[in-house]
This record gives sequence, C-alpha cells and structure tokens, in this order.
Amino acid sequence: GAVVSQHPSRVICKSGTSVKIECRSLDFQATTMFWYRQFPKQSLMLMATSNEGSKATYEQGVEKDKFLINHASLTLSTLTVTSAHPEDSSFYICSARSWTGSPYGYTFGSGTRLTVV
Amino acid sequence: AQSVSQHNHHVILSEAASLELGCNYSYGGTVNLFWYVQYPGQHLQLLLKYFSGDPLVKGIKGFEAEFIKSKFSFNLRKPSVQWSDTAEYFCAVNGAAGNKLTFGGGTRVLVKP
Repeated sequence: GAVVSQHPSRVICKSGTSVKIECRSLDFQATTMFWYRQFPKQSLMLMATSNEGSKATYEQGVEKDKFLINHASLTLSTLTVTSAHPEDSSFYICSARSWTGSPYGYTFGSGTRLTVV
Repeated sequence: AQSVSQHNHHVILSEAASLELGCNYSYGGTVNLFWYVQYPGQHLQLLLKYFSGDPLVKGIKGFEAEFIKSKFSFNLRKPSVQWSDTAEYFCAVNGAAGNKLTFGGGTRVLVKP
C-alpha cells in the first residue's frame, strides 16, 4: 500500500535556528502533498498544499516566509521552519494523495514533533 | 468552503459497549468522506472512506459509517468496542473536485477495560 515516510520524528532546536522536515512517498508518486500542524489535543490544521514543480499554496494566516515548502520531485516535499521560535513548537504532519493502490486517498506520515527551546 | 463538525469531544465507555461518533459536514457539492484513527503516539490511519455507491461503508477493525446525504452526516459506528479502540477519531471531508482535506475537531475515545 501507499506509504509516506516523514523525518525526523522528533527534533529539538534552539530559538532562531531553522529546521527542515522531509516527507517522502515511498512507493508512489505524489504530485500533491499537504502539510498540517496539530496542536496538543486539537485537530489537524492544513498549513499548505505542496505541488511538485510549482509554488506551494498556503492557507490563510500561514506565514510563507516562516514555513518554506519545496516539492522538487514527485516523491519528496520538505517543510523548513525558519527562524524558529517557541510558539512554532508543534506536531507537523505531511500527507500525500495517492490515486491508485491501497489505501486510495490520503496517506499520512508519522509526524514530526518540533520543540523550540 | 468546506467544514466538518464532530459533536463529541470526549467519549468514555466500557468494553463491549456500542460506539457512535457523529460527524456533519458543510459543502455545496459532491464530497468524499473519511474517518481516520490516531492511536496514542501513532500516526493517522484510515478507518474507512466513502466516495460513491452504497452509503453504508464498512472499514477495518469492525468499524462502519453511514453517509446520509440529506443530513450531511457521516457517523461512525462500532457495535462492540474493545480496550484497544482507545484513540482519537477524526472525520474528514474533501470536495470531490478538489484536493484539500478538511478535518473535524476530533473525538477522544477512552474504552475502559
């Protein structure tokens, strides 16, 4: 079935530094990937839609310069949290839409817990 | 814009009890509907989905959901829960013509042994 690999699973960084999170579709090509943020005990909030070979589409209220998304290939999208601050600490989840195979639909990565100290 | 509402934030029940989680959506066109489960410390897993056809959808682990178009609902059910069903459950929707998946607020289910 469709598998999405997300790395790292946990990262702790100092305030002011940048962190890159990778999301890979392992056995299918994903022209579109999605990045979500999940606060403790809350639902997933879509941050942006990442399209291979073009600019990401950000949701209202999400800072484009803070959360840089690159989708350079059909199997890899990256989210870079730039100049991270403690308020950026959260659980970040990527997802890819698979058009064939099982499960048909959206497959999620295991998430990255970012802690900014 | 599409939106999803899950009525219960927390549900506590005993093993063997029946479970029903409510989900209502708001969208003007054809929708695809999903239920995902997130076990403690794990990533989201698909329980079941509805694209078209039979509105009663059977998923994994004994779960099922019924799409009632007139009520804009897609409630999740399980006749007899187990302790291992303790998790958070998310209803999600996307417009059939679009890509974006919108999640409900989630329902935390605690099954007492």
